[in-house]
Amino acid sequence: DAKTTQPPSMDCAEGRAANLPCNHSTISGNEYVYWYRQIHSQGPQYIIHGLKNNETNEMASLIITEDRKSSTLILPHATLRDTAVYYCIVRAYTGTASKLTFGTGTRLQVTL
Amino acid sequence: NAGVTQTPKFQVLKTGQSMTLQCAQDMNHNSMYWYRQDPGMGLRLIYYSASEGTTDKGEVPNGYNVSRLNKREFSLRLESAAPSQTSVYFCASSEGLQGFSPLHFGNGTRLTVT
Repeated sequence: DAKTTQPPSMDCAEGRAANLPCNHSTISGNEYVYWYRQIHSQGPQYIIHGLKNNETNEMASLIITEDRKSSTLILPHATLRDTAVYYCIVRAYTGTASKLTFGTGTRLQVTL
Repeated sequence: NAGVTQTPKFQVLKTGQSMTLQCAQDMNHNSMYWYRQDPGMGLRLIYYSASEGTTDKGEVPNGYNVSRLNKREFSLRLESAAPSQTSVYFCASSEGLQGFSPLHFGNGTRLTVT
């Protein structure tokens, strides 16, 4: 599995966009980028995933660079409830896609 | 819709004691997983069950056993607890290993071994 690098922490003002970066320079052609978040010791929650096209759902947008070596998760209007640890994971979209390896993630603090 | 339910929420054991962590899901998912999370670390996969009747080791299986009792339930057993097993344990489920399906997690069992 490709290794990911995320900043350990970030701050964001409420109502502003939160842009969380992730580097995955060793990503392979068949590997997807997944994002999960964990709110204060609850179980992690799936946010979004993508291969090479940008993706958007009701929670967030995922922007993947053309060379696929990095990506950015965007929360368009962050709220206090978005304070959490965000995990970027790279894994092949195979029959074992759900065997995800979680790193230490980025702790996002949303403030008033 | 309860999703993934874990019991107990908290447990304190003495070294050498045994216990079973219970997990049940009501989403008719085929695959289930056990992770542990230690302070400052990410989640590490202990065991998983791709479908009813099958189980496989994950990244850190030593000291644990699992049972896929039926499609709904997947239990994790510590036969002889050690302080190194103090952790938060998360159970998760997904529709299956065929194609992408996101993991759905329970809210964890916080285990302390003294």
